[in-house]
Amino acid sequence: DGGITQSPKYLFRKEGQNVTLSCEQNLNHDAMYWYRQDPGQGLRLIYYSQIVNDFQKGDIAEGYSVSREKKESFPLTVTSAQKNPTAFYLCASNRLGQGFRNTEAFFGQGTRLTVV
Amino acid sequence: QKEVEQDPGPLSVPEGAIVSLNCTYSNSAFQYFMWYRQYSRKGPELLMYTYSSGNKEDGRFTAQVDKSSKYISLFIRDSQPSDSATYLCAMNAGSNDYKLSFGAGTTVTVRA
Repeated sequence: DGGITQSPKYLFRKEGQNVTLSCEQNLNHDAMYWYRQDPGQGLRLIYYSQIVNDFQKGDIAEGYSVSREKKESFPLTVTSAQKNPTAFYLCASNRLGQGFRNTEAFFGQGTRLTVV
Repeated sequence: QKEVEQDPGPLSVPEGAIVSLNCTYSNSAFQYFMWYRQYSRKGPELLMYTYSSGNKEDGRFTAQVDKSSKYISLFIRDSQPSDSATYLCAMNAGSNDYKLSFGAGTTVTVRA
């Protein structure tokens, strides 16, 4: 089955610690995205990547870093510089190009990060 | 002002009622419009996908887009308790812009 796999489902971080969230897709999609979801605020874009070895900051990139070494993988690191990291993190992907429904985004099941 | 506005609710309706959800937006370049359904602690899943203005129906769900008013709607007929979820509108301009702009999401509860 094609889809997006996020791991782990739950993650606990100590103060001052960096943690990495995994996102893998087997949909052969070009573009991948990381969103943060907080209650009542909808989805906010952290980083996105349209091709391998290239990525752009979204609206709330401070305190986060990403890499895109493979088309299938787009890991997100939450660094100690992110002061309020407790949230639900969602990874998504879509195709590029001029086809109908290419803009449709598919989502993973999310990672819930809690600072302890 | 946010690019996409959506009333977060919550919205509570009895089983069998019609649920009406809507979003407004400010970017006139948007031409692809989506509704996602998100169950608690899960990732969003695509419910409806429409292009430009008009209506689209899929079973109990109807999506409407009015680009002249920058207003989109989702209607759920004969609502069921299994429809209880958060509904997110999303949109983008297509072409070279593949990022989605999301509304805040409306939480809906259908009471049995």
